[in-house]
Amino acid sequence: AQTVTQSQPEMSVQEAETVTLSCTYDTSESDYYLFWYKQPPSRQMILVIRQEAYKQQNATENRFSVNFQKAAKSFSLKISDSQLGDAAMYFCAYRSANDKIIFGKGTRLHILP
Amino acid sequence: NAGVTQTPKFRVLKTGQSMTLLCAQDMNHEYMYWYRQDPGMGLRLIHYSVGEGTTAKGEVPDGYNVSRLKKQNFLLGLESAAPSQTSVYFCASSSTMFRAALPAFFGQGTRLTVV
Repeated sequence: AQTVTQSQPEMSVQEAETVTLSCTYDTSESDYYLFWYKQPPSRQMILVIRQEAYKQQNATENRFSVNFQKAAKSFSLKISDSQLGDAAMYFCAYRSANDKIIFGKGTRLHILP
Repeated sequence: NAGVTQTPKFRVLKTGQSMTLLCAQDMNHEYMYWYRQDPGMGLRLIHYSVGEGTTAKGEVPDGYNVSRLKKQNFLLGLESAAPSQTSVYFCASSSTMFRAALPAFFGQGTRLTVV
């Protein structure tokens, strides 16, 4: 069975600085997809970024980028120029070949003004 | 576009009572999911459906039943609620188109308290 591990329950970063959230996963599949979701206090889950496993190039969306290391099964999220609105729970998610979507336990990110 | 709509948004049940949570999506998505979110546990998959008339068990299916009679609706039932089922429940849906890197779109959650 696939598993997703986020080893950092909480992190803090100074506003305008850069922070990296870690995610590792375990799978025997070769075809899968990875996502980072943001959950602000409103509870709404918001997609931040996605990565196809067959693509070697790391995905980037504005201030958000990933470091995808397929061999190491690592999928970290880098947030540059952190803003107060980035404060939220961040979830790493894995979509398997049979279309189950499995989430990590989340990392709560605090932005310090 | 409404996206994914969950009904109700809040509910308090007494132990042993039953209820049904409704999830409706208007995006013609094939796949639908029910998750529960507990502090420190993240989102755990209860049941999911890969198409109308199909359902499958997720990680924590015990105590729950689901039905997908119509493509746009995915119902989550609690036959005899227990305090351990106090949680926030999320419904999500996603498309099969191209089987590409398609995320799940989420509803706004249902906060259920069982006393």
